[in-house]
Amino acid sequence: QLQLQESGPGLVKPSETLSLTCTVSGASINSDNYFWGWIRQPPGKTLEWIGSNYNGGSSFYNPSLESRVTISADSSRNQFSLKLRSVTAADTAAYYCVSLMPGGLPVLDVWGKGTTVTVSS
Amino acid sequence: EIVMAQSPATLSVSPGDRATLSCRASQTINRDLAWYQQKPGQAPRLLIYAASTRATGVPARFSGSGSGTEFTLTISSLQSEDFAVYYCQEYNNWPSLTFGGGTKVEIK
Repeated sequence: QLQLQESGPGLVKPSETLSLTCTVSGASINSDNYFWGWIRQPPGKTLEWIGSNYNGGSSFYNPSLESRVTISADSSRNQFSLKLRSVTAADTAAYYCVSLMPGGLPVLDVWGKGTTVTVSS
Repeated sequence: EIVMAQSPATLSVSPGDRATLSCRASQTINRDLAWYQQKPGQAPRLLIYAASTRATGVPARFSGSGSGTEFTLTISSLQSEDFAVYYCQEYNNWPSLTFGGGTKVEIK
């Protein structure tokens, strides 16, 4: 059974880089079947797609965040990661790692439990 | 950019009653729509995809319909565990994904 688990600092200072990792169990991050991704949700607000990574290779990003975001994969650890640069208070949110439905249909089939990140000095 | 609008923002329903939630897309998205349920403190859960296909393990009281720009999620007889926030998500513009603002279903 596919499971995802986010990890990373819960507090980041303004202008610094937010770094989160998602550990995948139950599937290989290099599998042709899966897209991996990140979603965030500011407190009391709706969900926002950050970006996705396919097969541990190509990545695609929300145009509104593209200049600050990198999603990459580490095959040796079966993990993928999110880096968001130059953060501000507006980046305070719960961050979820997700997998898209096997075969590539872009619906979010499996979610991590989420991790809360606060941007504050 | 596709904008997804959900209505109402809050729906007050008695247990056992039917709930009807709406989602409207700013341009046609065919049937490229999913619905998610989110309970407080939890990650969202996929309910419906392709506008009307229930995800694995989703009870039959949840049904989706619609195509083009107008979509509906119906919960036929609300159970206590169904009180939550529901989000629609389009994927017609993949690799971009857009969510609606959500509908909170609360106990009347």
